Amino acid sequence: AQSVTQLDSQVPVFEEAPVELRCNYSSSVSVYLFWYVQYPNQGLQLLLKYLSGSTLVESINGFEAEFNKSQTSFHLRKPSVHISDTAEYFCAVSQVKAAGNKLTFGGGTRVLVKP
Amino acid sequence: DTGVSQNPRHKITKRGQNVTFRCDPISEHNRLYWYRQTLGQGPEFLTYFQNEAQLEKSRLLSDRFSAERPKGSFSTLEIQRTEQGDSAMYLCASSLEREWDTQYFGPGTRLTVL
Repeated sequence: AQSVTQLDSQVPVFEEAPVELRCNYSSSVSVYLFWYVQYPNQGLQLLLKYLSGSTLVESINGFEAEFNKSQTSFHLRKPSVHISDTAEYFCAVSQVKAAGNKLTFGGGTRVLVKP
Repeated sequence: DTGVSQNPRHKITKRGQNVTFRCDPISEHNRLYWYRQTLGQGPEFLTYFQNEAQLEKSRLLSDRFSAERPKGSFSTLEIQRTEQGDSAMYLCASSLEREWDTQYFGPGTRLTVL
């Protein structure tokens, strides 16, 4: 079994400031890692993912996350946030070689970007 | 591509009643997932289908819950004898098996059991 912990339930941040959302996971087997985002009144959308290769992955809208195997972490960062980044962010894992690729989610971090 | 759709978007019912939710996945997506999200928590996996076969069910899916995907297209999730603890957002997601690393989520059905 695996579990995901997002240490911050809410993160207020000013526009153009940097933000980091922390994600730690626990698993007895290797996992793939994901960040999903839920904008107000919308469904969850995949933001970025780590499957293999370079441990630093980037999204098209300026977010990046780094897989750290020794610390079992997959923190999400953005150097300069916009008002439009206000959303809830979910970290998730999926077991490697598991049929179905079901996702195990963390509790979410709500980001509120203030002008 | 109209995305994953779910109906109804909201359902209010009294304890003990049965409810049924529907999910229409993205066309040609052969995998379909159900998750449940309670207030302040992340989504929790309930079950998934590959085509019409239900291949995995979570311990969360008690005997009162049943899911079907009769023709490998849309899916229904039925809850019998609803309890207040069933109040949650029920999310549906779909994916292609060959593009397994991206699940597309619907807007969810919010169930309130009075």
